[in-house]
Amino acid sequence: QVQLQESGPGLVKPSQTLSLTCTVSAGSISPDNYYWSWIRQHPGKGLEWIGSIQYSGSADYNPSLKSRVAMSVDPAKNQFSLRMTSVTAADTAMYYCARDTSFVYFDYWGPGTLVTVPS
Amino acid sequence: FILTQPHSVSGSPGETVTISCTRSSGSIENNYVHWYQQRPGSAPTTVIYADDQRPSGISGRFSGSIGSSSKSAFLTISGLETGDEADYYCQSYDAAGRVFGGGTRLTVL
Repeated sequence: QVQLQESGPGLVKPSQTLSLTCTVSAGSISPDNYYWSWIRQHPGKGLEWIGSIQYSGSADYNPSLKSRVAMSVDPAKNQFSLRMTSVTAADTAMYYCARDTSFVYFDYWGPGTLVTVPS
Repeated sequence: FILTQPHSVSGSPGETVTISCTRSSGSIENNYVHWYQQRPGSAPTTVIYADDQRPSGISGRFSGSIGSSSKSAFLTISGLETGDEADYYCQSYDAAGRVFGGGTRLTVL
């Protein structure tokens, strides 16, 4: 069974760049029939899709975040990553990585990592 | 587009509840709708994908459907159990990306 695990700093200063990595195990990131995604959840709120990337590097981003977000894939490490620039307190959230299938839904999720941006 | 869900629903053990997910523009039938269950402190898990398909391991008490008006999808949970108490999210997509509904808190009384 595919497993995903987020990693990265839990505290990011305002105006700095948030960087997270998702490590995929028990499955390869290589097949291009999957997208690899980031989703976040503000405290006590709903889910927000951030973006999705394929092994080939083709990526889709949430239009509301597109100007600040970039994703990348490292096939050698079976990892994919998220960079979000110019963070503010409004970016404080639980960040999840997930696998996005050909049906365009998320079948495997990481446990999530809490990122706090102090105000 | 936006997906609108009721903020909360409730039911007693053994009852049946239905959660709606209404698409603001375009037909709900244009793109698959998926449903996730999220218990406190945990990542979401899929209970229905591709409108009405159950992943392996999901109880037959969970079912998905598309309304005849082509504006709404529905998640129905029959034979409610206390363990069903959770937040439920619908999700769909279009050319601009993936969209989640705002979530529905299910309380089992």
